[in-house]
Amino acid sequence: DIQMTQSPSTLSASVGDRVTITCRASQSISSWLAWYQQKAGKAPKLLISKASILESGVPSRFSGSGSGTEFTLTISSLQPDDFATYYCQQYNNYLYTFGQGTKLEIK
Amino acid sequence: QITLKESGPTLVKPTQTLTLTCTFSGFSLSTYTMGVGWIRQPPGKALEWLALIYWNGDKRYSPSLRSRLTITEDTSKNQVVLTMTNMDPVDTGTYYCVHRLTTVPNTGGYFDSWGQGTLVTVSS
Repeated sequence: DIQMTQSPSTLSASVGDRVTITCRASQSISSWLAWYQQKAGKAPKLLISKASILESGVPSRFSGSGSGTEFTLTISSLQPDDFATYYCQQYNNYLYTFGQGTKLEIK
Repeated sequence: QITLKESGPTLVKPTQTLTLTCTFSGFSLSTYTMGVGWIRQPPGKALEWLALIYWNGDKRYSPSLRSRLTITEDTSKNQVVLTMTNMDPVDTGTYYCVHRLTTVPNTGGYFDSWGQGTLVTVSS
């Protein structure tokens, strides 16, 4: 199985901050990586596919980058609505795996 | 617009079999590259992919749970059913039905639409 490791597990930040979440794969997954946002009590929402393709309707302050084994999700200027938990997911093959999540908290 | 909705029991006893149904609309599972799957989330924990069924009838399962899972489809009803045998309290969590999308054939794909989830509690 391909293991996905996110860091940090928890991130405290303020409105307006620029934040970066990292996701590492245990082996190369090319660019086959998605990012999701999950708010408490809600289903996850797809933000980014193929490492850097922003889904329609997702604010441009979100961006993704990386390939191979190391990926990042960046929020350029945090807004109150962005405080949530974020997950990466690899789809290099037909055995899907998620990272353990990064909880973005208000400082 | 794609919608998915999970249905099934909210409480099951240990050793029982769980059967969950996903009823979807807005696409046909028989269309090339489509897929419908299940993902679960224990309370306060991370997402875990369980199973997926593809447009061509192919089925894939989480290696760690393969022996306990079966995914089937009823194309005429636009439903996908997941069964999980020998339920245990550690299986408690929210179970999500998802639509799998891929823009490149022969890649795994990602999950662009999710159901609201259904909380399943395993307890005697």
